[in-house]
Amino acid sequence: EAQVTQNPRYLITVTGKKLTVTCSQNMNHEYMSWYRQDPGLGLRQIYYSMNVEVTDKGDVPEGYKVSRKEKRNFPLILESPSPNQTSLYFCASSSGSDTGELFFGEGSRLTVL
Amino acid sequence: GENVEQHPSTLSVQEGDSAVIKCTYSDSASNYFPWYKQELGKRPQLIIDIRSNVGEKKDQRIAVTLNKTAKHFSLHITETQPEDSAVYFCAASLASAGGTSYGKLTFGQGTILTVHP
Repeated sequence: EAQVTQNPRYLITVTGKKLTVTCSQNMNHEYMSWYRQDPGLGLRQIYYSMNVEVTDKGDVPEGYKVSRKEKRNFPLILESPSPNQTSLYFCASSSGSDTGELFFGEGSRLTVL
Repeated sequence: GENVEQHPSTLSVQEGDSAVIKCTYSDSASNYFPWYKQELGKRPQLIIDIRSNVGEKKDQRIAVTLNKTAKHFSLHITETQPEDSAVYFCAASLASAGGTSYGKLTFGQGTILTVHP
């Protein structure tokens, strides 16, 4: 089954404790990206990657890191989480084909205390 | 960078009525405009998209129109049904020369649509 898988789905952590949210897709997609969703602010892009070893900042990259060492994986790293990073995070991928459709993961709800 | 404004933030209609959601964008270079639907507790899913070389696109009860001169695009849902109740997001992006893959994708703030039976 074609899918984008995120882990963990739910996480409560404390300020300053490094964490990684993993994202994996099995559709051989070149494009992957991370978004955070906050009430009233919609979906805001954090980072995106056009291909392996190619990443670029979205609109809200501060406090986040990413890497794209393999085509299927695009982890989101919070080196020193802060309460303002409490949010619902979505990973998404796209083939970049004619449709341009983004396939989203199920989301990861992160709470930073 | 691109800025996308979406209105209204909430929309309540009776079943069978039409619903219209409007978005404006700031970067005249943007050329790809998708719409996503997010049901409660679910992930966003693409429902329709339009590229700048097209003024209107329809898919059954939904349609999207684009006015490049005014830099705005709209989602139209006709004969609304309770299952249309969801959050709808518009977005804008600059697609590659091939018109497909894109980098930065900027979403609007979302519209909560409620369809009353």
